[in-house]
Amino acid sequence: DAGVIQSPRHEVTEMGQEVTLRCKPISGHDYLFWYRQTMMRGLELLIYFNNNVPIDDSGMPEDRFSAKMPNASFSTLKIQPSEPRDSAVYFCASSFAVAQKDTQYFGPGTRLTVL
Amino acid sequence: DAKTTQPPSMDCAEGRAANLPCNHSTISGNEYVYWYRQIHSQGPQYIIHGLKNNETNEMASLIITEDRKSSTLILPHATLRDTAVYYCIVRPWGKSGGGADGLTFGKGTHLIIQP
Repeated sequence: DAGVIQSPRHEVTEMGQEVTLRCKPISGHDYLFWYRQTMMRGLELLIYFNNNVPIDDSGMPEDRFSAKMPNASFSTLKIQPSEPRDSAVYFCASSFAVAQKDTQYFGPGTRLTVL
Repeated sequence: DAKTTQPPSMDCAEGRAANLPCNHSTISGNEYVYWYRQIHSQGPQYIIHGLKNNETNEMASLIITEDRKSSTLILPHATLRDTAVYYCIVRPWGKSGGGADGLTFGKGTHLIIQP
């Protein structure tokens, strides 16, 4: 398996623009997680899905952020409009839902810079 | 609400065992101890986890004290590639109704392997 795939790997945009980050989880995994990492706040959970259904979005910072999972093999995290404080590395992770096999596998991340 | 306490940084000589401590004095009976690491510019990587028994895999060993209030991750023969931030995370398996949830990362320990 290729692991969790994220695109783009780097994104530079200007304030006010819409940004869409993409994630392809490992095939067969039931859970998908979106995290954000900044120097100030470290790694934070934003939202996660189980079988394509959002379970907990309490970590989503504002209404400008939205996430979707239209099918088991694809998820998007959208920021509209983007702001400089959204600059961070965004990670996607996936896992099984079985006890003792729920290791989260992380993608390489998308480094977002909002100017 | 910090559930774990780790030293901010540690050094270890290449080829020696690296012992990374973690305090989790408020751990609950249904919470596991997980260890992840993050090598620079990469996504976090699962290492090992345990409930109350010591665990070993191809990467590391996990020693959990009998009262489960602390644990130690052991990398038996550290190499330069083990230089990373190591995160100790306590996490229950399943909320009500079962299922996984997100990881709560602290600041971790920056382990530096010296040549």
